[in-house]
Amino acid sequence: RKEVEQDPGPFNVPEGATVAFNCTYSNSASQSFFWYRQDCRKEPKLLMSVYSSGNEDGRFTAQLNRASQYISLLIRDSKLSDSATYLCVVNILLYGQNFVFGPGTRLSVLP
Amino acid sequence: EPEVTQTPSHQVTQMGQEVILRCVPISNHLYFYWYRQILGQKVEFLVSFYNNEISEKSEIFDDQFSVERPDGSNFTLKIRSTKLEDSAMYFCAILVVVQGESATNEKLFFGSGTQLSVL
Repeated sequence: RKEVEQDPGPFNVPEGATVAFNCTYSNSASQSFFWYRQDCRKEPKLLMSVYSSGNEDGRFTAQLNRASQYISLLIRDSKLSDSATYLCVVNILLYGQNFVFGPGTRLSVLP
Repeated sequence: EPEVTQTPSHQVTQMGQEVILRCVPISNHLYFYWYRQILGQKVEFLVSFYNNEISEKSEIFDDQFSVERPDGSNFTLKIRSTKLEDSAMYFCAILVVVQGESATNEKLFFGSGTQLSVL
């Protein structure tokens, strides 16, 4: 079983739509969780950390369910500029810091 | 967001040659990482480097690879005898630890990458 799995995508949505991405992780020793955004042939950029209590940053809401080992990202009122690949990242603190990336979910927001 | 500079941005080399990829974090950090991403595939962990020693390495990071922090500032990834399958984007990353009131948060920040093409 892969360590971090994500919706395969791609997601093609119209501007203004709400879209949700799902991510599951297999290692219960995972300690911290993140969503990164990656534009084509660019570096991953931190979008937000994910906390057990859930957290929101403008149009973006992240949720964590430790019991189900599940993470989600919700984007409301999507913009053209939200088009990117969204990467779920899990930090597994077994032997020092080890950030494991999911395969990513591609989002295209259409005019 | 901390700045991480990688050089070169593009590197073209012949199969069997050695390449050195460089990473320069602007401010002092203790934890460094190298990741790679083959075109169309996911970001893969290569190695982490803490306090001037390798902390952890993946199966990909075999004897062909080595890392150094030669002068306390630059952080390098050396790939000896490059193979065609080494063609990828290589990202350096630094770990930033933020001490909050109730918890400590660790976040990873990436350089802009070096695109390595092995011919």
